[in-house]
Amino acid sequence: AQTVTQSQPEMSVQEAETVTLSCTYDTSENNYYLFWYKQPPSRQMILVIRQEAYKQQNATENRFSVNFQKAAKSFSLKISDSQLGDTAMYFCAFMKHRGAQKLVFGQGTRLTINP
Amino acid sequence: EAGVVQSPRYKIIEKKQPVAFWCNPISGHNTLYWYRQNLGQGPELLIRYENEEAVDDSQLPKDRFSAERLKGVDSTLKIQPAELGDSAVYLCASSSGRGRETQYFGPGTRLLVL
Repeated sequence: AQTVTQSQPEMSVQEAETVTLSCTYDTSENNYYLFWYKQPPSRQMILVIRQEAYKQQNATENRFSVNFQKAAKSFSLKISDSQLGDTAMYFCAFMKHRGAQKLVFGQGTRLTINP
Repeated sequence: EAGVVQSPRYKIIEKKQPVAFWCNPISGHNTLYWYRQNLGQGPELLIRYENEEAVDDSQLPKDRFSAERLKGVDSTLKIQPAELGDSAVYLCASSSGRGRETQYFGPGTRLLVL
């Protein structure tokens, strides 16, 4: 079975700073997908960024980028120029390429951006 | 394009009472998921539908939980009778169903069982 671990329960940074959230996972699969979802206090789970394991290039979406290290089974999220609206729970998630199309989530990291 | 719609947003009931949650997926999405999110944790899958068929319900507590997706569109998740441990947020998600598509989530229903 796949597992996802987020070792940072909480993080706090000042507005405009850069912050990196950590995620490691365990799987015997070779092809899979990794995601970062954001969940603000409103509870709506919003996709931040997605990475396909067979792609070596790290995914980027504006201020959000990932550092995908397949051999190390590591998938960290970097937020540049952080904004107050980035305050939320961030969940790392794994999905197999084949078979059960379910997301396996980590425990989450609560990120607070301070003014 | 409208997102995933869920209702109600909040529900408070006493234990042993029944409760039902409703989900309307994004138009054209034939895969629908129900997840349960306990406080301070990530969501966990309860059931996945491909059109009308429940293709993965291995994590659904079948003694008290049931779900249906009539006509392959809207879905209802029911708990009868509810227990204190069922207090959680119930999230519905949908995807286009080609197996590698992103799942889009609704706002969830927060259930409190007293």
